[in-house]
Amino acid sequence: EAGVTQFPSHSVIEKGQTVTLRCDPISGHDNLYWYRRVMGKEIKFLLHFVKESKQDESGMPNNRFLAERTGGTYSTLKVQPAELEDSGVYFCASSQRHLEQGWGYQETQYFGPGTRLLVL
Amino acid sequence: GENVEQHPSTLSVQEGDSAVIKCTYSDSASNYFPWYKQELGKGPQLIIDIRSNVGEKKDQRIAVTLNKTAKHFSLHITETQPEDSAVYFCAASWGGSYIPTFGRGTSLIVHP
Repeated sequence: EAGVTQFPSHSVIEKGQTVTLRCDPISGHDNLYWYRRVMGKEIKFLLHFVKESKQDESGMPNNRFLAERTGGTYSTLKVQPAELEDSGVYFCASSQRHLEQGWGYQETQYFGPGTRLLVL
Repeated sequence: GENVEQHPSTLSVQEGDSAVIKCTYSDSASNYFPWYKQELGKGPQLIIDIRSNVGEKKDQRIAVTLNKTAKHFSLHITETQPEDSAVYFCAASWGGSYIPTFGRGTSLIVHP
């Protein structure tokens, strides 16, 4: 079974340009998450899709970031216009929840390899 | 919101030694504590987790301990091998949210 894939693996752009990151989750996974890690810091949550719907976008930094998940399959994260502070590694993760007795719905998130974005 | 502190940021050990990574969390409602390993060029992968109803869990050479009173949890790797070299992240979440709060990561280097 294929894991979570992300494209591109690396992107170097200039400030003010637009970049679109893509994530293909594991087939059948309803939940899709975007995270970002700025160098040396923690991995921070950006947003969460359940199928095609945004469940939680409380981590999105500002309105320069736009995420979509067309048809509940792959997802894109667009940054427009990019700023220097947007540099970092963007991870996508997917999961499928299951009911575990005594604990309610549980899940394991499977991460993609990340897209390393550098804004110059 | 939850805050997770992780130490050390870098850990260098000789092959065969043990390695310990420590984390603290702030939200007493947190009840699920996963640990992730990120190898070069890959994304974080879950290696072990622990829930608040147990104090320790083992899986071969790795173990996690949890002290709910002190809000501490730790990852222990015994008999380290070069392939254990990676960045390790601790995280915390609670039952109503599936979104973990991560620590800053520990870069573990195992010298052969």
